[in-house]
Order: sequence, then structure tokens, then C-alpha cells
Amino acid sequence: DIQLTQSPASLFASVGDRVTIACRASESITSHLNWYQQKAGKAPRLLIFGTSSLQSGVPSRFSGSGSGTDFTLTISSLQPEDSATYYCQLTSSSSFTFGQGTKVE
Amino acid sequence: EVRLVESGGASVQPGESLRLSCEASGFKFREYWMDWVRQAPGQGLEWVAHTNNDGRRKTYADSVKGRFSISRDNARNRLYLQMNSLRVEDTAVYYCVRENGGLEYCGPGTLVRVSP
Repeated sequence: DIQLTQSPASLFASVGDRVTIACRASESITSHLNWYQQKAGKAPRLLIFGTSSLQSGVPSRFSGSGSGTDFTLTISSLQPEDSATYYCQLTSSSSFTFGQGTKVE
Repeated sequence: EVRLVESGGASVQPGESLRLSCEASGFKFREYWMDWVRQAPGQGLEWVAHTNNDGRRKTYADSVKGRFSISRDNARNRLYLQMNSLRVEDTAVYYCVRENGGLEYCGPGTLVRVSP
């Protein structure tokens, strides 16, 4: 099975900062790579699907990119409400693997 | 408005069984693949299982294969997760999820606690 490794595990940033979270796959993937935001005590929220498509209702400061084994979630100008844990996730025909998460504070 | 509400979570002992339900509303349930995702206390997200829109195709995570069974009743707009031979490591909040490209909508979750 393909494994997803996120980095960093956590980060501290200031309001207005540009934040980048990396997600590396153990082998090249051609299927969907998605990103989620989860706030404490809440269900996860889909932010990005298909590597770079913004889910409806998600602010445009969120963006996704990448291909092959290396993918990135970028928050262009961090806002206080963006404090959360972010997960990448692979969708394939047989599994939906998650990365281990990146906590943004 | 899409609404997913899980129920059936409880505290049980290892080896026991439990059935989770998810009531869906606000969309055409029969048109969507549906999933269960779980999260152990203080841990990350783990995909558990999914089923296609007519319930004939089902896929499971290795960690639950042979013990858990996903099913759906499209006439009642309900998704189920039958969990047998529960283990301590199955302790988690279980989320019902509508799948559409990604895991598009999640319910608030229901807590399953397995302890001796």
C-alpha cells in the first residue's frame, strides 16, 4: 500500500504568513490527492480535491499543487481561523490512505 | 442542506459487537458512494470502509477486514457499519461520510469505546 508522509508535523506561524505543508507519497500516484482541515473536536472538512481543485465554499487563500510523489497545500495568507490540523489523503480503487497530519498554530 | 447523523456508539468489551447507523438527508442518498472514517483519541484520521451507490461494491481497510461490514438501505437513506469482534484499538469516533471526489461531507461522529 502507498504511504503518505506529511511535513512538518507541526508549525507555528503568524497572521498573514504564507504557509506550505508537504505530503510525500511512497510511490508515484495518479489518483486523487485531497486535503482536509480538522479543528479540535470537529469533523474534518474537505478543502482541496483532485490535487488542486478548491472545494465549494473554501476561501481562495487555500491552494493545492503537485504531481508524482510530491504534493503541497499552501495557505497564502494565514488567518486566525486557519488554526487546525491538516491532512492529505489518497483516493484509490482500494484504499483511502491519510497522512499523519500537520498541526498549524 | 446535506445532513449526516451517526448513532449507535457505545462502550463495549473486547470481542463484543456493535452496529452503527447513519441517517442521511438533504441529498439523493442513492446517488452517492458512502464511507466510514474513524479517529482514535488524540490520533489522526483512518479510513474504514466504503460502499458504492447501490451497495454491491464494498472495500475495507486491512485493519477491519473480516470483522466489519458496511451496508446501506437506500429506501431509508441509511448507512450502517456492523462491527464484530471489537478490539481495544477500535476505540474511536466514527464518522459517516459522503464521498464525491474526496470525502465531501462528514457527520458529527459517534464514539465507540472498547475496554475490558
